[in-house]
Amino acid sequence: QKEVEQDPGPLSVPEGAIVSLNCTYSNSAFQYFMWYRQYSRKGPELLMYTYSSGNKEDGRFTAQVDKSSKYISLFIRDSQPSDSATYLCARISSGSARQLTFGSGTQLTVLP
Amino acid sequence: DTEVTQTPKHLVMGMTNKKSLKCEQHMGHRAMYWYKQKAKKPPELMFVYSYEKLSINESVPSRFSPECPNSSLLNLHLHALQPEDSALYLCASSQPRERNYGYTFGSGTRLTVV
Repeated sequence: QKEVEQDPGPLSVPEGAIVSLNCTYSNSAFQYFMWYRQYSRKGPELLMYTYSSGNKEDGRFTAQVDKSSKYISLFIRDSQPSDSATYLCARISSGSARQLTFGSGTQLTVLP
Repeated sequence: DTEVTQTPKHLVMGMTNKKSLKCEQHMGHRAMYWYKQKAKKPPELMFVYSYEKLSINESVPSRFSPECPNSSLLNLHLHALQPEDSALYLCASSQPRERNYGYTFGSGTRLTVV
């Protein structure tokens, strides 16, 4: 079983829609999670990180972790064409080396 | 300065060539990483350097040889690559032991092996 599994997409929504991106994780001991956005031909950029359970909000983005169901979500409100990208969830390991393990990514297209 | 700079941006090399990818950061990060990303796939970890020492090698073939000359620089030496090694190679940096601190990625080197 993969450490982090992500809805494969692709996902296409109209401008202004609320977008929900979802991942599940395999081990209840995992605590730290991150969402990255990757535009075509660019490196991933960190959007948000979350710890354990609860919500974290930053502008139009909300990251949510449900520890009981081992579910990670990213919500994008008032989606814009500039949000069109691949979104990657990831868990980060403990220890000094701190490995990131990514989900498979969801390609999002926001149509004007 | 919040950037990770990778050079070159594009590289085409033959299977008998030797080349190097370079990565530089000046954010004071003490962990640096090489990831490989194939098209429409997530990045996969290759190597981790923590405090300039190689701490993780994810069973990468010996034709890839990492080097960390100092805390700001990371190289990936390439020799006798195969066409299936064509991919986007991403460098990243972070602070060790700070789990609520994300990686910063470079824009990558797009490598084509012919």
